[in-house]
Amino acid sequence: NAGVTQTPKFRVLKTGQSMTLLCAQDMNHEYMYWYRQDPGMGLRLIHYSVGEGTTAKGEVPDGYNVSRLKKQNFLLGLESAAPSQTSVYFCATGPFYNEQFFGPGTRLTVL
Amino acid sequence: QQQVKQSPQSLIVQKGGISIINCAYENTAFDYFPWYQQFPGKGPALLIAIRPDVSEKKEGRFTISFNKSAKQFSLHIMDSQPGDSATYFCAPGGGNNRKLIWGLGTSLGVNP
Repeated sequence: NAGVTQTPKFRVLKTGQSMTLLCAQDMNHEYMYWYRQDPGMGLRLIHYSVGEGTTAKGEVPDGYNVSRLKKQNFLLGLESAAPSQTSVYFCATGPFYNEQFFGPGTRLTVL
Repeated sequence: QQQVKQSPQSLIVQKGGISIINCAYENTAFDYFPWYQQFPGKGPALLIAIRPDVSEKKEGRFTISFNKSAKQFSLHIMDSQPGDSATYFCAPGGGNNRKLIWGLGTSLGVNP
């Protein structure tokens, strides 16, 4: 079992470009989350989903969109990347809100 | 609006010493109190967690102490080892929130 995987691992974008980050899980979990982690800021929740077809805004949703068309996948989209979105992005999943299993992260740089 | 305050921000202990990290929260509806451990370049991983019906939980060298009236819980690492050097996060949750509320993290360094 792969657990939680994130694609890609690294990406460099130019300001204004768009991209999609993919989170895939084979743990059959209902809950999925997207976080960003910046130095000194801890983990900040961007969007989350409590089941297939559902999404909800987290703490810092502006500039991001998400979709959960299949239970095992949670996509995070950046429509027009900005330097402020340079960060490490983590996906997490869980059977409920409490125990969360994290992916390895995607390091994104926006120039 | 910071609902969770973690302290200290960083901590250095000697090998074999005791590391103590504290977490204060505001939301009395929280019913789940975990600590996560994160190594450089990796995602956080659940280390230990406690429910509010007990005041202490021990797993190996790691202990959570929970004080409901003070709205605080702490992580104690006994016999700290260099391999414990990592960033630790408290992330309580529960009530109407279907998510965890993360502290800013504590960077722990254990000198050999």
